[in-house]
Amino acid sequence: KAGVTQTPRYLIKTRGQQVTLSCSPISGHRSVSWYQQTPGQGLQFLFEYFSETQRNKGNFPGRFSGRQFSNSRSEMNVSTLELGDSALYLCASRSGPGVGSEQYFGPGTRLTVT
Amino acid sequence: EDQVTQSPEALRLQEGESSSLNCSYTVSGLRGLFWYRQDPGKGPEFLFTLYSAGEEKEKERLKATLTKKESFLHITAPKPEDSATYLCAVQAEEYGNKLVFGAGTILRVKS
Repeated sequence: KAGVTQTPRYLIKTRGQQVTLSCSPISGHRSVSWYQQTPGQGLQFLFEYFSETQRNKGNFPGRFSGRQFSNSRSEMNVSTLELGDSALYLCASRSGPGVGSEQYFGPGTRLTVT
Repeated sequence: EDQVTQSPEALRLQEGESSSLNCSYTVSGLRGLFWYRQDPGKGPEFLFTLYSAGEEKEKERLKATLTKKESFLHITAPKPEDSATYLCAVQAEEYGNKLVFGAGTILRVKS
């Protein structure tokens, strides 16, 4: 069974631009979560989608948004990029949003903002 | 106050030298505690889920245990390939269903 895939793997953008990252979950998984990982803040939750609906949201500004499609694939968008947005963005999928179900992570997208 | 705290921040072991990593949490209504391993430049790899105090799970040289306020990841006779960052995360009523991660423990095993 294929794992979680994320594209692109690496991205370099300029301040003020916007970026869209993509995530394909494990086949059969309907819940997708996004995380930002930085050396200073560690792994921080951005949001979770299930059945095309946002179920949970972390403490990030409105510049960070996401969506999920009917095939469970998900995208996240960051508008008006800032230098501090440079990070590893991780996507994780699980079978559903219920209690205790394990999340499986993709390899991440390394975003560098210059 | 950090709700999930991992210690030590970094640990250096000789090959074969057993040790334990700690994950303590202050949340109430724990729904699950998760351990992950992360290699540099990669996404976290799922290791274990623990649900209730007293539960234990094992995988190769790793054993995870859970008490009411902390979890331990015991590493028996580690090998250099066990070198990685080990992350714990909790799922709790006060967080909804999202995972809250600790900062991780960087483990280096020297041969």
